[in-house]
Amino acid sequence: GESVGLHLPTLSVQEGDNSIINCAYSNSASDYFIWYKQESGKGPQFIIDIRSNMDKRQGQRVTVLLNKTVKHLSLQIAATQPGDSAVYFCAEISRDNYGQNFVFGPGTRLSVLP
Amino acid sequence: DTEVTQTPKHLVMGMTNKKSLKCEQHMGHRAMYWYKQKAKKPPELMFVYSYEKLSINESVPSRFSPECPNSSLLNLHLHALQPEDSALYLCASSHLRVSNQPQHFGDGTRLSIL
Repeated sequence: GESVGLHLPTLSVQEGDNSIINCAYSNSASDYFIWYKQESGKGPQFIIDIRSNMDKRQGQRVTVLLNKTVKHLSLQIAATQPGDSAVYFCAEISRDNYGQNFVFGPGTRLSVLP
Repeated sequence: DTEVTQTPKHLVMGMTNKKSLKCEQHMGHRAMYWYKQKAKKPPELMFVYSYEKLSINESVPSRFSPECPNSSLLNLHLHALQPEDSALYLCASSHLRVSNQPQHFGDGTRLSIL
């Protein structure tokens, strides 16, 4: 299940199940979105991206869905494995006079149970 | 292994010390970034360099001084830091002229201020 509070939201799933991590973004002008995975002691690692002219994009075991109407982004991980345990951040990107403006979401910790 | 290399991986310093964090990338990216990340929080943007020129300073205290000697290197000079500056410092890089490209992150320097 998922818990949200003062601490980092955590999603616990059984190994082999599918995981869905959600993200709400705020800027309707954002036209590019990225999911990053951050393992303990490491920097954020690119997983998958999607442009605003798409509503779905698939990678290897991962799918990103974009709903611009409600400004919602989700990351689906199929057949979740222990190695998927990490913190997942969404990022929304808009453009200003300086180039790209990255804004990260608060993050969700995915915990894979044996 | 990441394509953005940060050194050192760990740094412990006193409040009167002067030290520098280093970042290197050889992907031909002309935008480079410094982020600060506290535990259980997303990365917070500090500085952006575009074509080796400082383009964004997110109201960072002057005890943090960035430097971009060339298109592959980014430094962050530290002086008279406070205990609350203890955090993970992340460097990232991205293309500038190509739109909708992700930022690539290093694994960070874990900084502890005594």
